[in-house]
Order: sequence, then structure tokens, then C-alpha cells
Amino acid sequence: NAGVTQTPKFQVLKTGQSMTLQCAQDMNHEYMSWYRQDPGMGLRLIHYSVGAGITDQGEVPNGYNVSRSTTEDFPLRLLSAAPSQTSVYFCASSYMGGRVYEQYFGPGTRLTVT
Amino acid sequence: AQTVTQSQPEMSVQEAETVTLSCTYDTSESDYYLFWYKQPPSRQMILVIRQEAYKQQNATENRFSVNFQKAAKSFSLKISDSQLGDAAMYFCAYRSAQGAQKLVFGQGTRLTINP
Repeated sequence: NAGVTQTPKFQVLKTGQSMTLQCAQDMNHEYMSWYRQDPGMGLRLIHYSVGAGITDQGEVPNGYNVSRSTTEDFPLRLLSAAPSQTSVYFCASSYMGGRVYEQYFGPGTRLTVT
Repeated sequence: AQTVTQSQPEMSVQEAETVTLSCTYDTSESDYYLFWYKQPPSRQMILVIRQEAYKQQNATENRFSVNFQKAAKSFSLKISDSQLGDAAMYFCAYRSAQGAQKLVFGQGTRLTINP
């Protein structure tokens, strides 16, 4: 099992550019999510998905789009990057159900917008 | 909406000593889960310990234990016999027992271990 993988690990963008952060998991998890981590603010939920074709907004969704066409993949799109989107981005996944399943995190992507 | 607060941005402890990290949360729900995550310099998020709110017994995992006070909405992490490898950012997180697995994180506490 590769677990949760994210690409790229680092990225520098200019203001206004677009890009997609990739996230994939090979554990057949129904739930996938994206968080951003900023100093002094912990991790904040951007978007999440409870299954293929189903996505919903988290706490800080503005400026980001997601889609979930397969169970394995959950890409995060920045349509027009802004300096405020400079952050570390984490993808996470877990099973769903009655038990408190552990969420598995990817290694993160450090994004800088200049 | 639920909130999680970690009031200690930084803590330090001597190697082999015990340290307690604080976490408080606010919720109107009665059924939920609480977690402590460790983030070493590698940036990887590692689950340290979890607590189910309906369980009165405090969770323990080897040198890590929690003090869960449901009425006070407090969830502190105690690390015994601190080791150099414990140096990291520690995040407290809340998850409702209902609906999706959305985690609400605190601001984090940076723990330094002094040799």
C-alpha cells in the first residue's frame, strides 16, 4: 500500500496562475478531504468528499474547486492563485461508518504564490 | 460550529521528564471523538491517541495518555518519559460522531525536548 500520495511536494506559482494539486489513495477509502495549514492556525478544512461524485465545502472553500470522479483520486484546483493561498496543503482519507476510523494524511504540498 | 483551542503555542521539557499539553473545545454535541496528532519536522501527520466521548476511561498509548474532562470540555495530553523523538508540533482535533469525518483542529503546540 502506498497510502495517501500527493504531488507535487513543492510548487511556486505567480498570482493569477492556475494549478491542480493531486491526491490519490489506494486503501479504498470512501472519505477524502483537503486541509490547509497556516502558522498559528492549525489545519483548516477546504473541501471534502464522502464518495465518488459527492463533494462538499469545508471551512475555507473560496478559491478552490474539487471533483471526485473515482474512489482513488481527489484533486484540488486553484483557478487563479492568490498570495493568500500560500500554505501547506494536506490530503487525508479514511473509511466511513459507525467506527472512529483513523484518517490517513498525505505528506503535504508546500505552495508559494508570489 | 465546534472550536478547538490550544493555549500553549510552545512548550519545552527536559528529556525523561513528563509534560502535559492542554486542549479545550467547544461543542453542543454529546457524542464526538477527540484526537491528538503529532507533526514532526518531516511534516507528516501522525495519530498519537484518540478518545471517544462516550467512554469515561482515559485513553492511553504507551507513554502517551489523556485527561478527558467532558464536563469541562478539556482534553489534555500527557507525555511521560519524554524522548528526543517526541519533539514536534502537536495538534488537538475534534470530530463529530455524526455525519462526515470532518476534523476541527486546534492551533498547535510546538514541543521542544531539552537533552
